[in-house]
Amino acid sequence: EDQVTQSPEALRLQEGESSSLNCSYTVSGLRGLFWYRQDPGKGPEFLFTLYSAGEEKEKERLKATLTKKESFLHITAPKPEDSATYLCAVTNFGNEKLTFGTGTRLTIIP
Amino acid sequence: EPEVTQTPSHQVTQMGQEVILRCVPISNHLYFYWYRQILGQKVEFLVSFYNNEISEKSEIFDDQFSVERPDGSNFTLKIRSTKLEDSAMYFCASRDQGRSYGYTFGSGTRLTVV
Repeated sequence: EDQVTQSPEALRLQEGESSSLNCSYTVSGLRGLFWYRQDPGKGPEFLFTLYSAGEEKEKERLKATLTKKESFLHITAPKPEDSATYLCAVTNFGNEKLTFGTGTRLTIIP
Repeated sequence: EPEVTQTPSHQVTQMGQEVILRCVPISNHLYFYWYRQILGQKVEFLVSFYNNEISEKSEIFDDQFSVERPDGSNFTLKIRSTKLEDSAMYFCASRDQGRSYGYTFGSGTRLTVV
């Protein structure tokens, strides 16, 4: 069974203080690893899909990287509006479903 | 930007009652999903739907649950006899074909069973 573990559970940063969120995964044949942002009471908002080890994608202050065992979401010079829960999820080649981690709750302090 | 629309945003129902949660997926998407998130817990897969039939379902999706695509635009989740433990946020999602796909989620329906 696919498993996704995210760390840390919560992270508080000062505005401008860069850091990284971790997503470790176990999957039988990775089809895709997904990063989502979730604001309170809202649905997950798609950020990135990564397909193979060594792949990197960027969007504004966010950069996602992928190895064979984990993915990192790097946030550079964050702003208060980056505060949210960041979710990692995987799919494998055998099925359609996304398996989610529990998320990292990120708070950026002005 | 195209979006997945869910109604209602909040539904309160009595235990044992039937509820129908509604979703309008993105128009050119072919794969449809329901997920749920109990407060403070992770997002969990319920069911996937393609070509007018269920393609996969989880252990959560028992006989009390059903899905339907009654016309070309709507996708519904029915819970026949709600239980207190069905209280959760329910998210609809859709995606298109091809390698560069991302699952697009709606804003969710908060279901409260009292």
